[in-house]
Amino acid sequence: DVKVTQSSRYLVKRTGEKVFLECVQDMDHENMFWYRQDPGLGLRLIYFSYDVKMKEKGDIPEGYSVSREKKERFSLILESASTNQTSMYLCASSLQGVNNGYTFGSGTRLTVV
Amino acid sequence: QKEVEQNSGPLSVPEGAIASLNCTYSDRGSQSFFWYRQYSGKSPELIMFIYSNGDKEDGRFTAQLNKASQYVSLLIRDSQPSDSATYLCAVNPGNTPLVFGKGTRLSVIA
Repeated sequence: DVKVTQSSRYLVKRTGEKVFLECVQDMDHENMFWYRQDPGLGLRLIYFSYDVKMKEKGDIPEGYSVSREKKERFSLILESASTNQTSMYLCASSLQGVNNGYTFGSGTRLTVV
Repeated sequence: QKEVEQNSGPLSVPEGAIASLNCTYSDRGSQSFFWYRQYSGKSPELIMFIYSNGDKEDGRFTAQLNKASQYVSLLIRDSQPSDSATYLCAVNPGNTPLVFGKGTRLSVIA
Protein backbone atom coordinates (compact mmCIF):
# COMPACT_ATOMS: atom_id res chain seq x y z
CA ASP A 1 0.00 0.00 0.00
CA VAL A 2 1.53 3.30 -1.08
CA LYS A 3 2.03 5.79 1.66
CA VAL A 4 3.01 9.21 2.89
CA THR A 5 4.35 8.80 6.39
CA GLN A 6 4.68 11.61 8.90
CA SER A 7 7.00 10.86 11.77
CA SER A 8 4.77 11.95 14.66
CA ARG A 9 1.01 11.95 15.14
CA TYR A 10 1.09 14.25 18.17
CA LEU A 11 3.85 16.59 19.28
CA VAL A 12 4.14 19.04 22.16
CA LYS A 13 6.95 21.58 22.08
CA ARG A 14 7.93 24.65 24.07
CA THR A 15 8.01 28.19 22.75
CA GLY A 16 11.37 28.96 21.17
CA GLU A 17 12.29 25.34 20.43
CA LYS A 18 13.44 24.30 16.97
CA VAL A 19 11.00 21.72 15.66
CA PHE A 20 11.48 19.20 12.86
CA LEU A 21 8.53 17.55 11.14
CA GLU A 22 9.50 14.69 8.86
CA CYS A 23 7.62 13.34 5.86
CA VAL A 24 8.56 10.32 3.77
CA GLN A 25 6.76 8.96 0.70
CA ASP A 26 7.33 5.62 -0.98
CA MET A 27 5.60 6.37 -4.29
CA ASP A 28 8.56 7.93 -6.15
CA HIS A 29 6.59 11.18 -6.39
CA GLU A 30 8.40 14.25 -7.67
CA ASN A 31 6.24 16.80 -5.85
CA MET A 32 5.92 17.25 -2.10
CA PHE A 33 3.98 19.79 -0.06
CA TRP A 34 3.52 21.03 3.49
CA TYR A 35 0.20 22.43 4.64
CA ARG A 36 -1.23 23.52 7.92
CA GLN A 37 -4.92 23.19 8.67
CA ASP A 38 -6.78 25.31 11.20
CA PRO A 39 -10.53 25.48 11.91
CA GLY A 40 -12.22 28.02 9.66
CA LEU A 41 -9.05 28.69 7.68
CA GLY A 42 -8.85 25.53 5.63
CA LEU A 43 -5.63 24.14 4.20
CA ARG A 44 -2.87 26.70 3.85
CA LEU A 45 0.25 25.96 1.83
CA ILE A 46 3.53 26.57 3.66
CA TYR A 47 6.20 25.28 1.26
CA PHE A 48 6.43 22.92 -1.66
CA SER A 49 9.08 21.17 -3.73
CA TYR A 50 9.02 19.87 -7.28
CA ASP A 51 12.44 18.24 -7.16
CA VAL A 52 15.30 17.28 -4.88
CA LYS A 53 17.03 20.31 -3.35
CA MET A 54 14.33 22.55 -4.81
CA LYS A 55 11.87 24.48 -2.65
CA GLU A 56 9.28 27.16 -3.23
CA LYS A 57 7.41 29.35 -0.76
CA GLY A 58 3.71 28.83 -0.41
CA ASP A 59 1.17 31.23 1.00
CA ILE A 60 2.40 31.32 4.60
CA PRO A 61 6.15 30.56 4.74
CA GLU A 62 7.03 32.96 7.55
CA GLY A 63 8.58 31.19 10.52
CA TYR A 64 9.16 27.98 8.58
CA SER A 65 11.86 26.46 6.41
CA VAL A 66 12.13 23.16 4.56
CA SER A 67 14.72 20.67 3.41
CA ARG A 68 14.61 18.16 0.59
CA GLU A 69 17.89 16.31 0.36
CA LYS A 70 16.35 13.10 -1.02
CA LYS A 71 13.43 12.58 -3.35
CA GLU A 72 11.37 10.66 -0.83
CA ARG A 73 11.88 12.95 2.18
CA PHE A 74 10.61 16.48 2.78
CA SER A 75 11.21 18.06 6.17
CA LEU A 76 9.47 21.08 7.67
CA ILE A 77 11.42 23.11 10.21
CA LEU A 78 10.00 25.58 12.68
CA GLU A 79 13.04 27.70 13.46
CA SER A 80 11.70 29.03 16.78
CA ALA A 81 8.30 27.62 17.65
CA SER A 82 5.61 30.03 18.71
CA THR A 83 2.12 29.43 20.12
CA ASN A 84 0.51 30.64 16.88
CA GLN A 85 2.13 27.69 15.12
CA THR A 86 -0.05 25.30 17.09
CA SER A 87 -1.88 23.50 14.30
CA MET A 88 -2.41 20.30 12.31
CA TYR A 89 0.43 19.89 9.82
CA LEU A 90 -0.20 17.83 6.71
CA CYS A 91 2.36 16.58 4.24
CA ALA A 92 1.31 15.57 0.73
CA SER A 93 2.95 14.26 -2.41
CA SER A 94 2.04 13.86 -6.06
CA LEU A 95 3.37 12.91 -9.45
CA GLN A 96 4.10 15.70 -11.91
CA GLY A 97 1.24 16.69 -14.20
CA VAL A 98 -1.98 18.64 -13.78
CA ASN A 99 -4.23 15.59 -13.59
CA ASN A 100 -2.53 14.09 -10.57
CA GLY A 101 -4.07 14.57 -7.16
CA TYR A 102 -2.23 14.66 -3.88
CA THR A 103 -1.80 11.85 -1.40
CA PHE A 104 -1.76 13.13 2.17
CA GLY A 105 0.00 11.80 5.21
CA SER A 106 -1.95 11.21 8.41
CA GLY A 107 -0.89 14.56 9.85
CA THR A 108 0.99 15.83 12.89
CA ARG A 109 -0.94 17.73 15.51
CA LEU A 110 1.59 20.15 16.97
CA THR A 111 0.96 22.01 20.19
CA VAL A 112 3.36 24.77 21.20
CA VAL A 113 3.16 25.73 24.87
CA GLN B 1 -5.63 35.64 -6.17
CA LYS B 2 -6.90 32.26 -7.24
CA GLU B 3 -9.92 31.31 -5.15
CA VAL B 4 -12.09 28.26 -4.62
CA GLU B 5 -15.38 28.82 -2.87
CA GLN B 6 -17.53 26.29 -1.07
CA ASN B 7 -20.51 26.63 1.22
CA SER B 8 -19.23 25.68 4.67
CA GLY B 9 -22.47 23.93 5.65
CA PRO B 10 -23.39 21.89 7.48
CA LEU B 11 -25.39 20.28 4.73
CA SER B 12 -27.81 17.82 6.30
CA VAL B 13 -29.45 15.11 4.20
CA PRO B 14 -31.48 12.05 5.23
CA GLU B 15 -30.04 8.60 4.71
CA GLY B 16 -30.70 7.36 1.18
CA ALA B 17 -31.04 10.85 -0.32
CA ILE B 18 -28.76 12.55 -2.85
CA ALA B 19 -26.22 14.94 -1.38
CA SER B 20 -25.14 17.76 -3.69
CA LEU B 21 -21.92 19.60 -2.93
CA ASN B 22 -20.93 22.65 -4.94
CA CYS B 23 -17.76 24.55 -5.67
CA THR B 24 -16.91 27.62 -7.75
CA TYR B 25 -13.45 28.77 -8.80
CA SER B 26 -12.03 32.05 -9.99
CA ASP B 27 -9.25 31.05 -12.41
CA ARG B 28 -10.81 30.43 -15.82
CA GLY B 29 -7.64 28.66 -16.97
CA SER B 30 -7.93 25.92 -14.36
CA GLN B 31 -7.31 22.51 -15.83
CA SER B 32 -8.30 19.80 -13.38
CA PHE B 33 -10.55 19.47 -10.38
CA PHE B 34 -10.49 17.20 -7.38
CA TRP B 35 -12.79 16.20 -4.56
CA TYR B 36 -11.37 15.10 -1.23
CA ARG B 37 -13.20 13.63 1.75
CA GLN B 38 -11.93 14.39 5.23
CA TYR B 39 -13.29 12.65 8.29
CA SER B 40 -12.98 14.48 11.59
CA GLY B 41 -9.42 14.19 12.93
CA LYS B 42 -8.17 12.50 9.76
CA SER B 43 -6.32 13.68 6.67
CA PRO B 44 -7.96 14.38 3.29
CA GLU B 45 -8.53 11.42 0.99
CA LEU B 46 -8.93 11.79 -2.78
CA ILE B 47 -12.27 10.43 -3.98
CA MET B 48 -12.80 11.90 -7.46
CA PHE B 49 -11.13 13.99 -10.10
CA ILE B 50 -12.44 15.46 -13.35
CA TYR B 51 -10.89 17.52 -16.14
CA SER B 52 -13.45 17.47 -18.97
CA ASN B 53 -16.79 19.21 -19.07
CA GLY B 54 -19.68 16.96 -18.18
CA ASP B 55 -20.21 14.16 -15.70
CA LYS B 56 -17.90 11.49 -14.35
CA GLU B 57 -19.34 8.64 -12.32
CA ASP B 58 -17.61 6.33 -9.85
CA GLY B 59 -19.93 4.14 -7.83
CA ARG B 60 -22.26 6.33 -5.77
CA PHE B 61 -20.24 9.45 -6.61
CA THR B 62 -20.68 11.70 -9.64
CA ALA B 63 -18.49 14.70 -10.34
CA GLN B 64 -19.87 17.38 -12.64
CA LEU B 65 -17.82 20.10 -14.34
CA ASN B 66 -18.99 23.21 -16.16
CA LYS B 67 -15.94 25.25 -17.19
CA ALA B 68 -18.03 28.02 -18.78
CA SER B 69 -19.72 28.66 -15.44
CA GLN B 70 -16.54 27.85 -13.45
CA TYR B 71 -18.51 25.40 -11.40
CA VAL B 72 -17.82 21.88 -10.20
CA SER B 73 -20.07 19.70 -8.10
CA LEU B 74 -20.10 16.33 -6.37
CA LEU B 75 -23.24 14.25 -6.09
CA ILE B 76 -23.45 11.42 -3.60
CA ARG B 77 -26.32 9.03 -4.31
CA ASP B 78 -27.91 6.85 -1.63
CA SER B 79 -26.13 8.82 1.08
CA GLN B 80 -25.04 6.83 4.12
CA PRO B 81 -24.16 7.98 7.65
CA SER B 82 -20.58 6.91 6.84
CA ASP B 83 -20.51 9.67 4.20
CA SER B 84 -20.69 12.27 6.96
CA ALA B 85 -17.45 14.21 6.58
CA THR B 86 -16.03 17.45 5.24
CA TYR B 87 -15.65 17.52 1.47
CA LEU B 88 -12.86 19.64 0.01
CA CYS B 89 -12.87 20.90 -3.54
CA ALA B 90 -9.42 21.48 -5.09
CA VAL B 91 -8.52 23.12 -8.38
CA ASN B 92 -5.32 22.87 -10.40
CA PRO B 93 -4.65 26.23 -12.09
CA GLY B 94 -1.85 24.76 -14.19
CA ASN B 95 1.70 25.40 -13.12
CA THR B 96 1.08 26.00 -9.43
CA PRO B 97 -0.04 23.85 -6.51
CA LEU B 98 -3.66 22.89 -6.01
CA VAL B 99 -5.91 25.56 -4.59
CA PHE B 100 -8.25 24.14 -1.96
CA GLY B 101 -11.64 25.36 -0.84
CA LYS B 102 -12.36 25.44 2.87
CA GLY B 103 -14.72 22.53 2.59
CA THR B 104 -18.40 21.70 3.06
CA ARG B 105 -19.41 19.70 6.10
CA LEU B 106 -21.93 16.99 5.21
CA SER B 107 -24.10 15.31 7.79
CA VAL B 108 -26.17 12.27 6.75
CA ILE B 109 -28.97 11.66 9.20
CA ALA B 110 -30.05 8.04 9.81
